[in-house]
Amino acid sequence: EADIYQTPRYLVIGTGKKITLECSQTMGHDKMYWYQQDPGMELHLIHYSYGVNSTEKGDLSSESTVSRIRTEHFPLTLESARPSHTSQYLCASSEWTVARNEQFFGPGTRLTVL
Amino acid sequence: SQQGEEDPQALSIQEGENATMNCSYKTSINNLQWYRQNSGRGLVHLILIRSNEREKHSGRLRVTLDTSKKSSSLLITASRAADTASYFCATVKTSYDKVIFGPGTSLSVIP
Repeated sequence: EADIYQTPRYLVIGTGKKITLECSQTMGHDKMYWYQQDPGMELHLIHYSYGVNSTEKGDLSSESTVSRIRTEHFPLTLESARPSHTSQYLCASSEWTVARNEQFFGPGTRLTVL
Repeated sequence: SQQGEEDPQALSIQEGENATMNCSYKTSINNLQWYRQNSGRGLVHLILIRSNEREKHSGRLRVTLDTSKKSSSLLITASRAADTASYFCATVKTSYDKVIFGPGTSLSVIP
């Protein structure tokens, strides 16, 4: 069982609300990632981090922002949620070394914006 | 463009049969990984094969890698209903590169 946690697991909110999805890991991994995935579809990388104070945008344009103030914590924030943000959000982490960079995933947050 | 592409997109087999999924990629890699995702859950890492390896086994899983063809295959032997899931391949080149996931193969194992 991977030591990576996401809260909340499910979130239903109204349009225009600000939300923060939490992700934390206890494995001391340098790299962390956020993916967006619609049911039955492929993963889209939206943000990643190489370590503390490092944040990078992924392949999919996203209106969300992230921060990495502590190694174990990588929250994702939506300033103003819209129905188009409805999706599953997956957080993952991995070691820095490419030879051991298998990713450990959290259980995901399923977001519904009404 | 996608680094990894799985084939087929969907596969349905009877319990006890073998399931084979393929993955193709475009550029050189350091390693290739396979993941499983049960419906509505996060991905679980199954196996990692390095570019200098040709075959790797883990329980009922067998992974092959052909770097000359830039392709890999995942074989699940004696499938079980619990193997029903989506399977993704992922590739990475260096520590500074992102891990790139393919679109996945949806496997249904019918009891």
